[in-house]
Order: sequence, then structure tokens, then C-alpha cells
Amino acid sequence: KAGVTQTPRYLIKTRGQQVTLSCSPISGHRSVSWYQQTPGQGLQFLFEYFSETQRNKGNFPGRFSGRQFSNSRSEMNVSTLELGDSALYLCASSLAARQGSGELFFGEGSRLTVL
Amino acid sequence: DQQVKQNSPSLSVQEGRISILNCDYTNSMFDYFLWYKKYPAEGPTFLISISSIKDKNEDGRFTVFLNKSAKHLSLHIVPSQPGDSAVYFCAARGSGGGADGLTFGKGTHLIIQP
Repeated sequence: KAGVTQTPRYLIKTRGQQVTLSCSPISGHRSVSWYQQTPGQGLQFLFEYFSETQRNKGNFPGRFSGRQFSNSRSEMNVSTLELGDSALYLCASSLAARQGSGELFFGEGSRLTVL
Repeated sequence: DQQVKQNSPSLSVQEGRISILNCDYTNSMFDYFLWYKKYPAEGPTFLISISSIKDKNEDGRFTVFLNKSAKHLSLHIVPSQPGDSAVYFCAARGSGGGADGLTFGKGTHLIIQP
């Protein structure tokens, strides 16, 4: 069974640009969550999608957005990039109908560097 | 306001000994706790979990203990092996009934010395 796939794995952008990251969940998983990992803050919850609907959102500015498609694949977008957006962005999928009630399976992440 | 705290950024343990990783939380609404392990350049992988109705859960070399009154949980690894060297994240989930994201601690880097 293929795991969670995230693309691209690495990317470099400059301030003010925008970026789109993609996540393909494990087959059959309908819940997809996004987390930001930075050395100082650890793993922080961005948002979670289930059946194409955003169910919950973390405490991030509106520059961070996402969506989920009918095949459960998800994308997240960050507009007007800032230096502080440099981080590892992790996608996780789950079978659970309720976020957090089951095991999360993480992808390897997309490493974003903003110059 | 950090609701899940892992106060030790790093921990060094000799191979074969017991590793104890600690985690404290402040939100009494948390009802489910998980530990994740992360190697460099990989995503976190689920290790073990515990519901708030239990005080202990064991899986092979890994045991998680929960002390609800102290709002404290710990992960015991015994015996520690070189492959256990990784960053360990403690995570907690609320019982609000909604789709709450997991709240993670900042992680503890465990180093197993030969």
C-alpha cells in the first residue's frame, strides 16, 4: 500500500512569491491534514480536510489556504511568502472520520526555503 | 500558550538502558495522547497511543504511562537500541467532538550511545 506522497520534496522561493504544495493520501483515506514544522515551534496544525470540506483550521494567517479534491488529494497554497514561512510542510492522512481519533500517517514533507 | 510541553530538547542514553521521554500538558480537555517518532528527512511515524481512560499502554519495548492528575505522560523504551535515535513528538487531542487537529510538543531528540 503506497504511503502519503508529497510533492515537491524541496523548493526555493523568494519573498512575495506564492507556492503550492501537493499531497496524495493513502488510498481510502479521506482525511488530510497539514502541519508546519519549524525548529523553534515544532509541529503546528494548519488545517484539515475531509470529503473536500475544511473541517478545522489552525492559527495561521489567511495567506495559508488549502483545498481537497474529490479523489482526496489535497493542495495547500501560501501566498506573499515571508522569510518566516521557511519550514517543512507535512501532510498526514487518516481513515478516521473524526480528526485525531485515529492514527495519522505522515508524508516525508515538502521543505520550503524562502530567500 | 504551549499546551503540550516537552521540556527536554535532547536526551542521551546508553544502548541497552531505559529511555524515558516526558511530556506535560495543560489542557484538561485532552482525552487521547500519541507519540510519534521522526528520523531526519522523513515524516513522523506513529509509535504508540493512550486513551485518557487508561494509565498504561504497552507495545513491545515501548510503554506509555499517563498520569491524569499531574497532566503528565511518559514514554519508556527498554532496552534502548541504536535505531531508536530520533526525535520523539508527544501529541494530544481534544475531546470537543469536533475535528480538532492534534497539538504537538516541540519534540525531544533521543540519542542512543553505543
